[in-house]
Amino acid sequence: AQSVTQLDSQVPVFEEAPVELRCNYSSSVSVYLFWYVQYPNQGLQLLLKYLSGSTLVKGINGFEAEFNKSQTSFHLRKPSVHISDTAEYFCAVSDKSGGSNYKLTFGKGTLLTVNP
Amino acid sequence: KAGVTQTPRYLIKTRGQQVTLSCSPISGHRSVSWYQQTPGQGLQFLFEYFSETQRNKGNFPGRFSGRQFSNSRSEMNVSTLELGDSALYLCASSWGGTGDEQYFGPGTRLTVT
Repeated sequence: AQSVTQLDSQVPVFEEAPVELRCNYSSSVSVYLFWYVQYPNQGLQLLLKYLSGSTLVKGINGFEAEFNKSQTSFHLRKPSVHISDTAEYFCAVSDKSGGSNYKLTFGKGTLLTVNP
Repeated sequence: KAGVTQTPRYLIKTRGQQVTLSCSPISGHRSVSWYQQTPGQGLQFLFEYFSETQRNKGNFPGRFSGRQFSNSRSEMNVSTLELGDSALYLCASSWGGTGDEQYFGPGTRLTVT
């Protein structure tokens, strides 16, 4: 079984400031890692994913994340945020092996609020 | 191409009733997953279907059931509704392989009174 912990439930920042949203996971098997974003009254949209290879992953809208296997972390970063980045962000994992690899296990989410 | 569609978008039901939600995946996708989203529990996996077969199931009571049709469209049913079933129900589709991106629909907001 896997679990995902998003360390901050809310992160307020000013426009054009950098931001880091933290995610730690726990799993007894190898996992794939994802970050999704949810805007108000909408479904989830994939920002980026880590399957294998380079531990630095670049996604849409200028976001990137770094996989750290020893720390079991997958933190999301953006060097300069915009008002339009205000949304809820979810970290998720899926099992690479066995019959449970077709589901996503999500963290509780981090509400990013970008202020002018 | 068209995204994942869910109907209805909003639903109000009374405790004890049953409800059926529908999901149409992106054309060509064979996997459909369902998730429940609530403020307290967050996003929780309900079940996943691939080519009309349930491949995986979350920890929900038997009142929650689903099915998938030959055209990959999926329905989920909740019987004997409880107040705690009030939630946003999200459907996601993908090609069905490991690590594939899941594309989410806008959700169905179910309110149980």
